[in-house]
Amino acid sequence: SQTIHQWPATLVQPVGSPLSLECTVEGTSNPNLYWYRQAAGRGLQLLFYSVGIGQISSEVPQNLSASRPQDRQFILSSKKLLLSDSGFYLCAWSVTGVGDTQYFGPGTRLTVL
Amino acid sequence: AQSVTQLDSQVPVFEEAPVELRCNYSSSVSVYLFWYVQYPNQGLQLLLKYLSGSTLVKGINGFEAEFNKSQTSFHLRKPSVHISDTAEYFCAVSGITDKLIFGTGTRLQVFP
Repeated sequence: SQTIHQWPATLVQPVGSPLSLECTVEGTSNPNLYWYRQAAGRGLQLLFYSVGIGQISSEVPQNLSASRPQDRQFILSSKKLLLSDSGFYLCAWSVTGVGDTQYFGPGTRLTVL
Repeated sequence: AQSVTQLDSQVPVFEEAPVELRCNYSSSVSVYLFWYVQYPNQGLQLLLKYLSGSTLVKGINGFEAEFNKSQTSFHLRKPSVHISDTAEYFCAVSGITDKLIFGTGTRLQVFP
């Protein structure tokens, strides 16, 4: 069966520090991968999605970036965190795309102080 | 462009009572509709989805939803809720791409 992992589960970082969040998927090949951010009272915002290694599409201009160095690995990064980067970050995967279910990881709670 | 509106940010209800969580969408193309549930500090779990066919969709945990194209709605219902149904519920839509557009969520609070 397929599983999705995210780490760390929680993270507290000072403003201006770098960020690296990792997501890995097991049990499937060539998944579509997604990074979402969830801010209080604002639902989920799609940040990046990827249909293959090295292929990243950005949905929202910001100081975050994403990379996909391996088929089932998706990394969210920042060189300098802002207070507004605080939130709950969710990684998700799907198989075929349109109409397909997206399966979500457990999330990372990021607090920027 | 597609959008989703969840009219109720919070819905309080007593245990064993029926509940309806409302969702309206806007889209210029055919849509696929989803309901996800999120328990505190966890990821999202799919409750049900509508792709085509029967407009009444049954999901997990006794939930169901009805797709109404004329009213552009996809309301979620359960005839009798339990304490364990307390969670955040998100409606989402996708169309010609696989990107999901989420509503802002409805917090269902079930009281004993």
